[in-house]
Amino acid sequence: GENVEQHPSTLSVQEGDSAVIKCTYSDSASNYFPWYKQELGKRPQLIIDIRSNVGEKKDQRIAVTLNKTAKHFSLHITETQPEDSAVYFCAARIYNFNKFYFGSGTKLNVKP
Amino acid sequence: SQTIHQWPATLVQPVGSPLSLECTVEGTSNPNLYWYRQAAGRGLQLLFYSVGIGQISSEVPQNLSASRPQDRQFILSSKKLLLSDSGFYLCAWSVGRGPMNNEQFFGPGTRLTVL
Repeated sequence: GENVEQHPSTLSVQEGDSAVIKCTYSDSASNYFPWYKQELGKRPQLIIDIRSNVGEKKDQRIAVTLNKTAKHFSLHITETQPEDSAVYFCAARIYNFNKFYFGSGTKLNVKP
Repeated sequence: SQTIHQWPATLVQPVGSPLSLECTVEGTSNPNLYWYRQAAGRGLQLLFYSVGIGQISSEVPQNLSASRPQDRQFILSSKKLLLSDSGFYLCAWSVGRGPMNNEQFFGPGTRLTVL
């Protein structure tokens, strides 16, 4: 099966700085990679995703990059704000399967 | 638009008691349905998933079971709860099969405390 590893487990940045969270996956057949944001006590919310036929995707201050050769993908948040503080999860789905494999999460703290 | 409901929102149960958590999805047909558990401060553990009525795949051997009696209803059960069953239980759905299976969305969750 797939194995998704996520780093770092915690990340503290100053407001306005950038934050980068990295994930690696093991199965080259994975073709869909979503990112979720989970605020304390709430459900995970899908914030951005990328498919294997794309190398980069942006949505305002958030971007995701994918390197299929190296089997890793990253979440980039620019101009961080205190409301970006949350736990972020990456995930991968293997082509033609219905399961999603999640990373262990990154707790992001944006200091005002 | 699609919505997903879970109930109850919170639950406190004694060790050894039974459990039934319900999840329903509106606004879509034939969804893939998932149950996850999240221990405090931890990641998401996939417990069960279902691609259709009566079709359940179990991911982790434990004292929990799942059923899907209707297309848009997914139930998580236990005959006897353990202390280690405490956690945040999340139901999720996605649509499409195989390569067409894309975004997965989570329900509001049930916070279970076993005492």
